[in-house]
Amino acid sequence: AQTVTQSQPEMSVQEAETVTLSCTYDTSESDYYLFWYKQPPSRQMILVIRQEAYKQQNATENRFSVNFQKAAKSFSLKISDSQLGDAAMYFCAYGAGYALNFGKGTSLLVTP
Amino acid sequence: SAVISQKPSRDICQRGTSLTIQCQVDSQVTMMFWYRQQPGQSLTLIATANQGSEATYESGFVIDKFPISRPNLTFSTLTVSNMSPEDSSIYLCSVGGGRGLGETQYFGPGTRLLVL
Repeated sequence: AQTVTQSQPEMSVQEAETVTLSCTYDTSESDYYLFWYKQPPSRQMILVIRQEAYKQQNATENRFSVNFQKAAKSFSLKISDSQLGDAAMYFCAYGAGYALNFGKGTSLLVTP
Repeated sequence: SAVISQKPSRDICQRGTSLTIQCQVDSQVTMMFWYRQQPGQSLTLIATANQGSEATYESGFVIDKFPISRPNLTFSTLTVSNMSPEDSSIYLCSVGGGRGLGETQYFGPGTRLLVL
């Protein structure tokens, strides 16, 4: 079974600074997809960024980018110029079928 | 992306009763998913619901406890039956277009359930 590990239960960053959230996964598949979702206190799950495993180029979405290391099975999320609205739980997710496997999440605190 | 609504947004229920959660999507989708998020935990898939077929349940979840309906391509319900305090969780539905592997899933706002 595929597992997703987020080793940082909590992270803190100052406004305007950069923070990196870690994620590793275990799989024997060669073709799969990886996601970062954000869950603010409203509990709405919001897609942050998506990466196809067959693409070597790291995905970027505005202030959000990933460092995808396929051989190391690592998929970290970098948030640049952090904003107060970035405070939330961040979940890393793996998909090789139709459903997703989620990590336990990292709680991100953004301080003024 | 799809716009997804869930009803109720929250509820407090007595043990032994049942609650039906509704999930409505603003467009037709092939696959709908139901997840459970226990307090302070990650999301766990309960079942996959395709229109016109029986739901497919994950290990640890059974139809008698979590019956699911999928009457059309825009709607699904999840019932939590004979509830106990251990069922207190957030229940989320999500949709994927079913175009295949790696389809991005979009989530509803969740239903927060507290069982006393």
